[in-house]
Amino acid sequence: DSGVTQTPKHLITATGQRVTLRCSPRSGDLSVYWYQQSLDQGLQFLIQYYNGEERAKGNILERFSAQQFPDLHSELNLSSLELGDSALYFCASSVADSFDGTITDTQYFGPGTRLTVL
Amino acid sequence: LAKTTQPISMDSYEGQEVNITCSHNNIATNDYITWYQQFPSQGPRFIIQGYKTKVTNEVASLFIPADRKSSTLSLPRVSLSDTAVYYCLVGDMDNAGNMLTFGGGTRLMVKP
Repeated sequence: DSGVTQTPKHLITATGQRVTLRCSPRSGDLSVYWYQQSLDQGLQFLIQYYNGEERAKGNILERFSAQQFPDLHSELNLSSLELGDSALYFCASSVADSFDGTITDTQYFGPGTRLTVL
Repeated sequence: LAKTTQPISMDSYEGQEVNITCSHNNIATNDYITWYQQFPSQGPRFIIQGYKTKVTNEVASLFIPADRKSSTLSLPRVSLSDTAVYYCLVGDMDNAGNMLTFGGGTRLMVKP
């Protein structure tokens, strides 16, 4: 158990719909990262937040957005869903800001949310 | 971007030592090299991290040459439970901020 929790574990929805995925980081961690992993694909970095502020963006679609709240939990919002959005979505957390130019902080990953778009 | 390149897959047998090499030609001065292990339908798990030379923990060793353009994860005496995907991760920095880059991963199959 990494200490990172994600809800829901599974999500089935239809094309065109909107969903929200939730992540609670490990106690004391200030950074939250979101990743997408399609079937048999590698991890695609989407976005990172540190202490409530967006720090880095990866291959995140405009239909997707995220935020980190004052209690440090984060939500990933996916809208106008398409079949190709079906994937595992992982959240990770770390103590520090991995993008501060010093050490690459170890990330602790949650169990993921499996999204199926029908 | 510090793009990483790893072999797509590797096969091994129980009890053997496995070495997985990752190339990262554009690694920045401040970047560390981190390896993660991922089992199917689970989130990646940290294995080891290093900056240069050699790092060893209870799970693996990490060898990094002086030029740091590559790194090798060494798993001693693998077992069936080591069958997983292994990712090499190198932090990257650019003018707009850093972006972590996971490679495609190496799918290790350990056979009895």
